[in-house]
Amino acid sequence: AAGVIQSPRHLIKEKRETATLKCYPIPRHDTVYWYQQGPGQDPQFLISFYEKMQSDKGSIPDRFSAQQFSDYHSELNMSSLELGDSALYFCASSPDGTSENNEQFFGPGTRLTVL
Amino acid sequence: AQTVTQSQPEMSVQEAETVTLSCTYDTSESDYYLFWYKQPPSRQMILVIRQEAYKQQNATENRFSVNFQKAAKSFSLKISDSQLGDAAMYFCAYRSGVYNFNKFYFGSGTKLNVKP
Repeated sequence: AAGVIQSPRHLIKEKRETATLKCYPIPRHDTVYWYQQGPGQDPQFLISFYEKMQSDKGSIPDRFSAQQFSDYHSELNMSSLELGDSALYFCASSPDGTSENNEQFFGPGTRLTVL
Repeated sequence: AQTVTQSQPEMSVQEAETVTLSCTYDTSESDYYLFWYKQPPSRQMILVIRQEAYKQQNATENRFSVNFQKAAKSFSLKISDSQLGDAAMYFCAYRSGVYNFNKFYFGSGTKLNVKP
């Protein structure tokens, strides 16, 4: 079965640089979530999109922005990177909101290292 | 806001034995979903088991079962016949049922060690 795809899997950037993380949800999933998991921490919700519109927003820095495109893939843009942005970034997708299935399917994550 | 608490940062179990991981949560909602996710060293988040709050019957998935106490807001995970492959970080997660596209709130995780 198709799973959530994230690219790149690993990314190394310097401070103050920009990074773009991509997420391709499972086919026919219209909702995408982004989570940030720092070292030794639990995943923290950043932002979500439903049908290409932002549906919820968590503790996402103003330096970060995200969007969902017409093919439902999503991109997380991170600017002016700081050392503290080093983390594992998960994307998750879920099917249509009318579905009984409330599970979120997680991608493998993108490990971002800021030097 | 909802909070999820896992009070056991780390636990150990002997292979083939049973272990229970604890999770409590705080919410004023009556409609919600609870999950246990496993995160092995690969860091992939893998769904272990799911419980709908409106269901009184505890969910089971093979060797994994939950003890869901709605009044006490408790959601523990029992792993029977523990295997070496069960060693991982386990996260308890809460999701509101009010809107189907609600975010997850995660607990801080419990690291499970399985001894051969």
